[in-house]
Amino acid sequence: DAKTTQPTSMDCAEGRAANLPCNHSTISGNEYVYWYRQIHSQGPQYIIHGLKNNETNEMASLIITEDRKSSTLILPHATLRDTAVYYCIVRVAWDMRFGAGTRLTVKP
Amino acid sequence: GAVVSQHPSWVICKSGTSVKIECRSLDFQATTMFWYRQFPKQSLMLMATSNEGSKATYEQGVEKDKFLINHASLTLSTLTVTSAHPEDSSFYICSARGAGGSYEQYFGPGTRLTVT
Repeated sequence: DAKTTQPTSMDCAEGRAANLPCNHSTISGNEYVYWYRQIHSQGPQYIIHGLKNNETNEMASLIITEDRKSSTLILPHATLRDTAVYYCIVRVAWDMRFGAGTRLTVKP
Repeated sequence: GAVVSQHPSWVICKSGTSVKIECRSLDFQATTMFWYRQFPKQSLMLMATSNEGSKATYEQGVEKDKFLINHASLTLSTLTVTSAHPEDSSFYICSARGAGGSYEQYFGPGTRLTVT
């Protein structure tokens, strides 16, 4: 599975959009981009995934660049409850391997 | 959505004893289950992958005789930490993948193990 690079931490003001970047320059053609988040002392929560096209669901939007070497997770209106560690994972196999993630802190 | 539960949510045991953690898929059949370990302020580390009815596949560096995994049914996998020591204290998380070739994985809430 391809390696991902994410910023260690980010802050976001409550009510504003949170844009979390992820680099995956070695991604291969059949690898999906997944995003999970983990709120303190809980199991990871699925957010969204995509292959080539941009995706949107009730939680977030996923923007994947045309060359697929990077992506951005967008939380359109961040709330305090969105404070968590966000993991970008690229995979094709069955197992999910986590990197260090980005610690997002939403501030009032 | 699919729900995965873990029991217990937290456990304290004495050094040298064994402790069993259960992982259940509540509303779907899980052909594959995964066990992760997470130390404070660190990311999740995959320990092993288990398929129903067969032996688990352990990641490099994970002692299979210490971390016994049983996946006897399509809804239950267990992780037994044998002869636990304080360094085994960690947050243990399971996840499950459904049948039918789905790539989706659903995570349990985790079990906090403290070995005294």
